[in-house]
Amino acid sequence: NAGVTQTPKFQVLKTGQSMTLQCAQDMNHEYMSWYRQDPGMGLRLIHYSVGAGITDQGEVPNGYNVSRSTTEDFPLRLLSAAPSQTSVYFCASSNPRTGLMNTGELFFGEGSRLTVL
Amino acid sequence: AQSVAQPEDQVNVAEGNPLTVKCTYSVSGNPYLFWYVQYPNRGLQFLLKYITGDNLVKGSYGFEAEFNKSQTSFHLKKPSALVSDSALYFCAVRDTKAAGNKLTFGGGTRVLVKP
Repeated sequence: NAGVTQTPKFQVLKTGQSMTLQCAQDMNHEYMSWYRQDPGMGLRLIHYSVGAGITDQGEVPNGYNVSRSTTEDFPLRLLSAAPSQTSVYFCASSNPRTGLMNTGELFFGEGSRLTVL
Repeated sequence: AQSVAQPEDQVNVAEGNPLTVKCTYSVSGNPYLFWYVQYPNRGLQFLLKYITGDNLVKGSYGFEAEFNKSQTSFHLKKPSALVSDSALYFCAVRDTKAAGNKLTFGGGTRVLVKP
């Protein structure tokens, strides 16, 4: 049981390049999300998905696309990278349906550090 | 809209002394409250949560937190800090009136425990 796996762990891009950050979970969690972490700003929600085929925007969605074709995978695409997208990206999942209290605490991957030059 | 504030960027404490990390929140409904910890170059790990019931909740590694509805606070505490508790701590809230499972995180508080 690997939990939430993110790849790559590190990536350097030039402005204007595109790339995809991969996220996979093996816990059969319905809910998956992407956050970015910037110093002093905590974690900000980019996009999330409550199940296969369903995605929605979070707090800072501009410049990012997501899709959810399977329960396990939730890739984050940067369409045209900008220096403002230099950040650490975290994928997180939960199963809101489990537990009596339906609380769904998040399980995080170890992060992907992206630098855009 | 839901929000979380962690008023201290950093907390310094000597090993063996009590540790407190402050958190206040704002929601329109009832809150689900969480504390997460992040060690260097790692993802966030769940510490504890408040959903309902007893205002004092106990979590991993000897941490506890007290929910105070009148003060809209959820401070994290540990009676005797260890050097290994040095990390970045995040408070998070979920508004029970909001759809989905969106958590809003505070800006984080860095804890430094000195020997």
